[in-house]
Amino acid sequence: QVQLQESGPGLVKPSGTLSLTCAVSGGSISSSNWWSWVRQPPGKGLEWIGEIYHSGSTNYNPSLKSRVTISVDKSKNQFSLKLSSVTAADTAVYYCARGMGVVLGLRGAFDIWGQGTMVTVSS
Amino acid sequence: EIVLTQSPGTLSLSPGERATLSCRASQSVSSSYLAWYQQKPGQAPRLLIYGASSRATGIPDRFSGSGSGTDFTLTISRLEPEDFAVYYCQQYGSSAWTFGQGTKVEIK
Repeated sequence: QVQLQESGPGLVKPSGTLSLTCAVSGGSISSSNWWSWVRQPPGKGLEWIGEIYHSGSTNYNPSLKSRVTISVDKSKNQFSLKLSSVTAADTAVYYCARGMGVVLGLRGAFDIWGQGTMVTVSS
Repeated sequence: EIVLTQSPGTLSLSPGERATLSCRASQSVSSSYLAWYQQKPGQAPRLLIYGASSRATGIPDRFSGSGSGTDFTLTISRLEPEDFAVYYCQQYGSSAWTFGQGTKVEIK
């Protein structure tokens, strides 16, 4: 049973960089799946941030692309998110999620999610 | 950018009733790229439907998805107490996955 667990600082200063890691357990990050980050501001809806394949290929939400970097560490079976120049608008619960497969339609069907981690941007 | 509009915003129903949730896209969406999720307070979303009509693993058959083009529907045939939650539709377009704003199904 594949499980995902997010970790990272819960508080980031404005203009700083948000850094989170998603540890994959019960399976390999090198499986035929894409791995995504999704966020949810308090009381609001879901926003997809970006995705990565174990080869290192990435795709980002155009609205965040200039500030986002997603990377993979196969030796640690984990992937990471960096979001730079953060503001209060980046305050949200951040989830990592697994896409069901490699074809486009399945990449975005997120069948396994982490529990989420709350990140607050404040001085 | 394709915008997904879900309606109604809130649906007040009783257990045992049928729920019909709508998701309308601003442009035509490939059915292959349309999914539905359920989210309960304090929990991560749960995949219900992918490819517009395929149930995810372990999802009860009271949940069904249908639609094509710009109009998609999630139907819950008979509401169980555990089905009261927020539901999101999701699609792929313009190089990004985007979600609707959600429909809350509450107990009447």
